Amino acid sequence: GAGVSQSPSNKVTEKGKDVELRCDPISGHTALYWYRQRLGQGLEFLIYFQGNSAPDKSGLPSDRFSAERTGESVSTLTIQRTQQEDSAVYLCASSKRVGDNEQFFGPGTRLTVL
Amino acid sequence: GQQVMQIPQYQHVQEGEDFTTYCNSSTTLSNIQWYKQRPGGHPVFLIQLVKSGEVKKQKRLTFQFGEAKKNSSLHITATQTTDVGTYFCAGHRWGGGADGLTFGKGTHLIIQP
Repeated sequence: GAGVSQSPSNKVTEKGKDVELRCDPISGHTALYWYRQRLGQGLEFLIYFQGNSAPDKSGLPSDRFSAERTGESVSTLTIQRTQQEDSAVYLCASSKRVGDNEQFFGPGTRLTVL
Repeated sequence: GQQVMQIPQYQHVQEGEDFTTYCNSSTTLSNIQWYKQRPGGHPVFLIQLVKSGEVKKQKRLTFQFGEAKKNSSLHITATQTTDVGTYFCAGHRWGGGADGLTFGKGTHLIIQP
């Protein structure tokens, strides 16, 4: 595909369950980013990958959040023991390289924790 | 840490009126980007400004980067209903990687026909 894709598009889960969100970046883009956007709010930066490595994980809200990227392609964001405050849209973006390049956003995964 | 403030948070205009949103950074930026997010959609890149005092135009949209590279503005002339959405600025600080990119909270543009 030509753009960034994310799956699932919607996820409803019960409090305490684990969820895994997937992002497929644009082919050839070495940089990949995860953001969280609560309803009506701005973008909260979570983590970025340069290739398969994540130099800075300090943006992750808690130790329940983790992310990995393999093959300089697909990335997964995992939230363990979900809480209601985790409900948000999780956006993934990619760019040709880390730095000042245009970021291309995926459609997001809307997570609802009941 | 770096903060990027955007004002106003909400702006209601009549169709055909002009609209301006302002972005201010607590630190000097290497560049600034603007994104538009339609209701229910995802952010889409509009433009990047790099040079001090830079002005760029895209049809009815005019983007400015301040001389001190700490503020920016987006001005839309004669708004149309298709301009509805949230406009975000995102600032890159000097020497920052992705963690140097900070988004403002956005300005929600509401247009009344």
